[in-house]
Amino acid sequence: DAKTTQPPSMDCAEGRAANLPCNHSTISGNEYVYWYRQIHSQGPQYIIHGLKNNETNEMASLIITEDRKSSTLILPHATLRDTAVYYCIVRVESGGSNYKLTFGKGTLLTVNP
Amino acid sequence: KAGVTQTPRYLIKTRGQQVTLSCSPISGHRSVSWYQQTPGQGLQFLFEYFSETQRNKGNFPGRFSGRQFSNSRSEMNVSTLELGDSALYLCASGQGSWTGAKGATNEKLFFGSGTQLSVL
Repeated sequence: DAKTTQPPSMDCAEGRAANLPCNHSTISGNEYVYWYRQIHSQGPQYIIHGLKNNETNEMASLIITEDRKSSTLILPHATLRDTAVYYCIVRVESGGSNYKLTFGKGTLLTVNP
Repeated sequence: KAGVTQTPRYLIKTRGQQVTLSCSPISGHRSVSWYQQTPGQGLQFLFEYFSETQRNKGNFPGRFSGRQFSNSRSEMNVSTLELGDSALYLCASGQGSWTGAKGATNEKLFFGSGTQLSVL
């Protein structure tokens, strides 16, 4: 399984961009990088995913380096409601199943007023 | 569209008992997977069901089992409960399309709020 490394915690000021890094140096060519977040007492929530190219949606942007060994999730204008644990996941394919996600410890992002 | 529904939200059991948790996926989704979350081990994959068949299984003892019904609803069962089974059990729903060994289908999962199980 490709493993990911994330800082345990980060702080961000409200209204500023939050940049969350993730290292996945053993990623395979057909493995996608997914980001989920988990707000306290709730189930994880999908944010974004990508393979090679940078991706953007209504929630965030995902920047993947050219060698695919690391990525950065960007929340352009963080709000207090973005305080959560953010998980960077490289999806493991096992016998065709796409749903065996291997969660690491994630990054606790605290957005401060 | 209703989200993933898990019942009950909270549950208290004693050691040795068994428990059944329920999950109703998003309408139209055919895949249901289960995860256990504890402070020490984090989120761990339990198993996944698609069209009433278990498609993948994590490293949990046989006391943990599950099933999926024809309407895609799923249940998981834990028998002979141990103190260490105290956890948040999360169910995730997905459309269920997959391409086998090749390629990837870019599917995202939708999680429920979980069932908080306390074993005393």
